[in-house]
Amino acid sequence: GENVEQHPSTLSVQEGDSAVIKCTYSDSASNYFPWYKQELGKGPQLIIDIRSNVGEKKDQRIAVTLNKTAKHFSLHITETQPEDSAVYFCAATESNTGNQFYFGTGTSLTVIP
Amino acid sequence: DTAVSQTPKYLVTQMGNDKSIKCEQNLGHDTMYWYKQDSKKFLKIMFSYNNKELIINETVPNRFSPKSPDKAHLNLHINSLELGDSAVYFCASSQTRGLGYGYTFGSGTRLTVV
Repeated sequence: GENVEQHPSTLSVQEGDSAVIKCTYSDSASNYFPWYKQELGKGPQLIIDIRSNVGEKKDQRIAVTLNKTAKHFSLHITETQPEDSAVYFCAATESNTGNQFYFGTGTSLTVIP
Repeated sequence: DTAVSQTPKYLVTQMGNDKSIKCEQNLGHDTMYWYKQDSKKFLKIMFSYNNKELIINETVPNRFSPKSPDKAHLNLHINSLELGDSAVYFCASSQTRGLGYGYTFGSGTRLTVV
């Protein structure tokens, strides 16, 4: 089955700096890669996703990049704000036949004001 | 209007008791899931139902039993609760069995066994 690794497990940045979280996956059949943000006391929420037919996707201050050859994808948050503090999860699946997402182990991001 | 709702939000109970957690989604999704999140924040899938059919049944104690009366509801029954069952349990749903649009998670049920 798929194995998703995520690094770092914790990340602290100063407000206004950028944050990068990296994930690797093992199954070359995986073709859909969502990112989830989990705020304290809440469920994970989808914030951005990328499919294997594109290399980069942006949505305001967040972006995701995908390198299919190397089997890794990354989340980039620019101009970080205190409200970005949360746990972030990457995930992977084969979107046509897969029956579950394979999640990374999470990154706890703290943005220091 | 909550998309995936779980009840209760908090559940404190004694060892040996039997309890249930309920989940309902109003998104029209046909696949629902139960995940367990431990103290290290790992998300571990437990069960998945597609149109009331069990499609994922991970290695969990048989004290845990899911029930899906219809595709909008997926409940989790836990018998003979143990201290190690303490965790946050998340219900989720997805649009189709193909997962091209991600999950929608509920807000979680924090179970504490004392």
